[in-house]
Amino acid sequence: DTGVSQDPRHKITKRGQNVTFRCDPISEHNRLYWYRQTLGQGPEFLTYFQNEAQLEKSRLLSDRFSAERPKGSFSTLEIQRTEQGDSAMYLCASSFGGTSSTDTQYFGPGTRLTVL
Amino acid sequence: GEDVEQSLFLSVREGDSSVINCTYTDSSSTYLYWYKQEPGAGLQLLTYIFSNMDMKQDQRLTVLLNKKDKHLSLRIADTQTGDSAIYFCAESKGGSYIPTFGRGTSLIVHP
Repeated sequence: DTGVSQDPRHKITKRGQNVTFRCDPISEHNRLYWYRQTLGQGPEFLTYFQNEAQLEKSRLLSDRFSAERPKGSFSTLEIQRTEQGDSAMYLCASSFGGTSSTDTQYFGPGTRLTVL
Repeated sequence: GEDVEQSLFLSVREGDSSVINCTYTDSSSTYLYWYKQEPGAGLQLLTYIFSNMDMKQDQRLTVLLNKKDKHLSLRIADTQTGDSAIYFCAESKGGSYIPTFGRGTSLIVHP
């Protein structure tokens, strides 16, 4: 399967711990996006990368959150000092980019984070 | 209020048509999208429409856009049990790659 993959699929942690999630995009895609989805809500944009450059960050992305895409391929999202309010599904998506005005995003299955 | 609003639930009988409605607030929205999310899975783009169009058809799916009323709908013909999922309406503005999503409509298809 050459779709977007995310690891782990589920993470349970205690408040105050740090967690890191990984996303592997579709191999030829140069854009990568992170979203957060809570129960009963649609995905909310967190940040996106074009190749290794982080081009946009939402105000939702507090200073406890950091994302990297060091070689322009996989990306990691780290949450430091987790809080119960961080419990959510974290979705990654990738797209081919280029000059197309409609840049179809392909989503991974998500990482469900539960903070106790 | 929300930028993109949808009703939360829709229940239909198998074989009937389903119509899922969405309203948005930003008149500068350029692209409008419908995504499908099945349990435990990521979102799948079903279709999109550019704001200068008023209709788009793709097999069993028909998208209608009323730009004056900022109203978007998705019609699924001959709805099947496999269509049961959450459907998200989303919009983006020209030059942005980031869609704004609604809360999703949970479609339940019963025999």
